[in-house]
Amino acid sequence: GENVEQHPSTLSVQEGDSAVIKCTYSDSASNYFPWYKQELGKGPQLIIDIRSNVGEKKDQRIAVTLNKTAKHFSLHITETQPEDSAVYFCAASTVDSSYKLIFGSGTRLLVRP
Amino acid sequence: EAQVTQNPRYLITVTGKKLTVTCSQNMNHEYMSWYRQDPGLGLRQIYYSMNVEVTDKGDVPEGYKVSRKEKRNFPLILESPSPNQTSLYFCASSLYRTHSPLHFGNGTRLTVT
Repeated sequence: GENVEQHPSTLSVQEGDSAVIKCTYSDSASNYFPWYKQELGKGPQLIIDIRSNVGEKKDQRIAVTLNKTAKHFSLHITETQPEDSAVYFCAASTVDSSYKLIFGSGTRLLVRP
Repeated sequence: EAQVTQNPRYLITVTGKKLTVTCSQNMNHEYMSWYRQDPGLGLRQIYYSMNVEVTDKGDVPEGYKVSRKEKRNFPLILESPSPNQTSLYFCASSLYRTHSPLHFGNGTRLTVT
């Protein structure tokens, strides 16, 4: 089945710097890759997603890139702010009838003021 | 306000004492699911439901039961909780089965002693 690996597990950056979180997946048939942000005491919230027919997608300060050949996708956050501090999860969808999202293990991002 | 509501937020119980965690969504979503979150393991799916009276196992279903008698509600039942079920649980819903953003509740932290 699908397996998603996420790195790094923790990331500390200075406010204003960029942050990059990387994920790799195992099933070349996976075709949907969302990213979720989890703030303390809350459930994960979708921040951006990308489908396999697109190589890059941007939404203000966040962007996601997808390399289908290498089976990896990345989240890029530019001009980081303290409110970006959270746990980020990548995920990949299975393509069988269950529609499961397989999540990475999470990255704790700390933005230092 | 569109939301997924879980109750309770915190629960401490003893081994073997049956418990139910409730989940309700007000968005008329077809798809609902339960996840557990453990350090270093990300989010793992327990059960999911594609519609009323349609439920199926996720990746870690052992020791859990669910039911979907109404579209809005999807309770998680632990018939005989054990300490290895101590975890943070999230209910989620989405409009469609595939490629549709998951909306998460705020979580239930369960401790089984």
